Amino acid sequence: DVKVTQSSRYLVKRTGEKVFLECVQDMDHENMFWYRQDPGLGLRLIYFSYDVKMKEKGDIPEGYSVSREKKERFSLILESASTNQTSMYLCASSLVGTAYGYTFGSGTRLTVV
Amino acid sequence: GENVEQHPSTLSVQEGDSAVIKCTYSDSASNYFPWYKQELGKGPQLIIDIRSNVGEKKDQRIAVTLNKTAKHFSLHITETQPEDSAVYFCAASMGTGNQFYFGTGTSLTVIP
Repeated sequence: DVKVTQSSRYLVKRTGEKVFLECVQDMDHENMFWYRQDPGLGLRLIYFSYDVKMKEKGDIPEGYSVSREKKERFSLILESASTNQTSMYLCASSLVGTAYGYTFGSGTRLTVV
Repeated sequence: GENVEQHPSTLSVQEGDSAVIKCTYSDSASNYFPWYKQELGKGPQLIIDIRSNVGEKKDQRIAVTLNKTAKHFSLHITETQPEDSAVYFCAASMGTGNQFYFGTGTSLTVIP
């Protein structure tokens, strides 16, 4: 069964901490994405990557960075966590090509206190 | 960029009735329209998709229709069951680059 695995389901961090959210996929997908999900706002794209060591900003990159050192792993980094970054974070991957659906991870619910 | 609007935000139906969720998109270059179902505590899962060269697609109790001229597409669920209760998201993509633009979601409740 193909999978996108996010390392933590729930995370509580303090304001100002550096936070790492990890995502690993086992499908040999080229594309990987990080979204945040907030009530009434749907899914908003933070960063995405089409290849190793490659990254592109999405719609809301401020306060975040990413790292993709290996094809299967895409990390989201909150440089200095703030309370407005409390959210559900979803990682997704997909094949390159005309258009293929995403495979999502189960999400990480991050609370910044 | 693309803007996807989704309605309604909440929907309650009696078990066995049909449910319809509608989305509109702004960019006529979009050519791929997936629908995702998100159950409580889980990530969204692709349930059906449609490409711009097709007007309708069916998979058992689920169907999606696309009107390219009006730039809207809809999800239809027939004979709803309690396990259909979830949040449903529509999305649009222009294909190249694979970036999807999501609607804000519809919370569907099927009342037994």
